[in-house]
Amino acid sequence: EDQVTQSPEALRLQEGESSSLNCSYTVSGLRGLFWYRQDPGKGPEFLFTLYSAGEEKEKERLKATLTKKESFLHITAPKPEDSATYLCAVQARGTSYGKLTFGQGTILTVHP
Amino acid sequence: NAGVTQTPKFQVLKTGQSMTLQCAQDMNHEYMSWYRQDPGMGLRLIHYSVGAGITDQGEVPNGYNVSRSTTEDFPLRLLSAAPSQTSVYFCASSYGVTGVNEQFFGPGTRLTVL
Repeated sequence: EDQVTQSPEALRLQEGESSSLNCSYTVSGLRGLFWYRQDPGKGPEFLFTLYSAGEEKEKERLKATLTKKESFLHITAPKPEDSATYLCAVQARGTSYGKLTFGQGTILTVHP
Repeated sequence: NAGVTQTPKFQVLKTGQSMTLQCAQDMNHEYMSWYRQDPGMGLRLIHYSVGAGITDQGEVPNGYNVSRSTTEDFPLRLLSAAPSQTSVYFCASSYGVTGVNEQFFGPGTRLTVL
């Protein structure tokens, strides 16, 4: 059974204080690992897809990396508008493209 | 493009009532999915569809029915609502091609069952 565990559950940062969010996964062959951002009362918003160990992707202050067992979402010099819940999900090879397994998310709060 | 749309945004039901949550997408995506989100449990897959006329069960399908008669629409039916179905429901769609297979989510329906 595919499993995704995110840590920490909540993270409070000061503006400009860089940090990382962790996503550990167990899957029978990874097709893709996905990062989403979710604002309160909204649907998840797609950020990145990573497909193989060693891959990295960047978008503004966010950088996602992937190893064979985990992914990190690095946040450099965060701003208050980066406050949100960040969700990690995996899709296993051989399963339907309609199936994602999500972690429980990390709630990020950035104080000015 | 409107993307993925869901109606209603909010709904309150009494135990035993039935209702349909609507989902539509205008991106010509083959794959559509329904998830529920509960505090501390992340998103869990209810049902998904790989194309018009084809559906399958996800992790938590009990109490829910789906059908897909067109590429655009994927309604979720609650036949007899229970308090345990109080949750936020999200519909998502995607292409079925590795490299372009991220799922796009709708704004959600917040359902309360009394």
